[in-house]
Amino acid sequence: KQEVTQIPAALSVPEGENLVLNCSFTDSAIYNLQWFRQDPGKGLTSLLLIQSSQREQTSGRLNASLDKSSGRSTLYIAASQPGDSATYLCAVSSTDSWGKFQFGAGTQVVVTP
Amino acid sequence: NAGVTQTPKFQVLKTGQSMTLQCAQDMNHEYMSWYRQDPGMGLRLIHYSVGAGITDQGEVPNGYNVSRSTTEDFPLRLLSAAPSQTSVYFCASTVRTGGGEQYFGPGTRLTVT
Repeated sequence: KQEVTQIPAALSVPEGENLVLNCSFTDSAIYNLQWFRQDPGKGLTSLLLIQSSQREQTSGRLNASLDKSSGRSTLYIAASQPGDSATYLCAVSSTDSWGKFQFGAGTQVVVTP
Repeated sequence: NAGVTQTPKFQVLKTGQSMTLQCAQDMNHEYMSWYRQDPGMGLRLIHYSVGAGITDQGEVPNGYNVSRSTTEDFPLRLLSAAPSQTSVYFCASTVRTGGGEQYFGPGTRLTVT
């Protein structure tokens, strides 16, 4: 069974610092990996989707990398802002069940002004 | 497109009552899922469907039923509500083309007293 871990569970950084969020998974036979943002009391907003054949995806200040062989993905957020404060979740789907995602517990990020 | 819609947004039930959480998507996605989210935890899969007429159990299916008579709708039924089912429920749909991105509804906050 796929297990997804996000460490650390919480992170606090000063504004302007780069954020590095980690996601690890136990089974490398993934179909894709998706990063989400969740604000308190709200739903999930998709940030980036990385297909298994890709090494990274970029959107604005966000960059996500994927290393299937080591079972890791990293989400980089450049020049953090207080508005980046949220919980970030990663989710992984497997090649034998492409629409079925396993989620990590998330990393709660606080960016202080 | 409205995307993925869920009703109601909030619900309070007494122990033993039954109810149906509604989920609909207008994107013609094959795959639909129900998750629950509890404090400090990621999302856990309750049930999923790979197409109309086909459903299967996820990680935490006990106490819940689903059906999928159309591509658009995927209702979740609580048979006899228990306090342990107090949670936030999210519905999602996934499209295979373009890499299998998952789209989420806004969630239903359920309290069972």
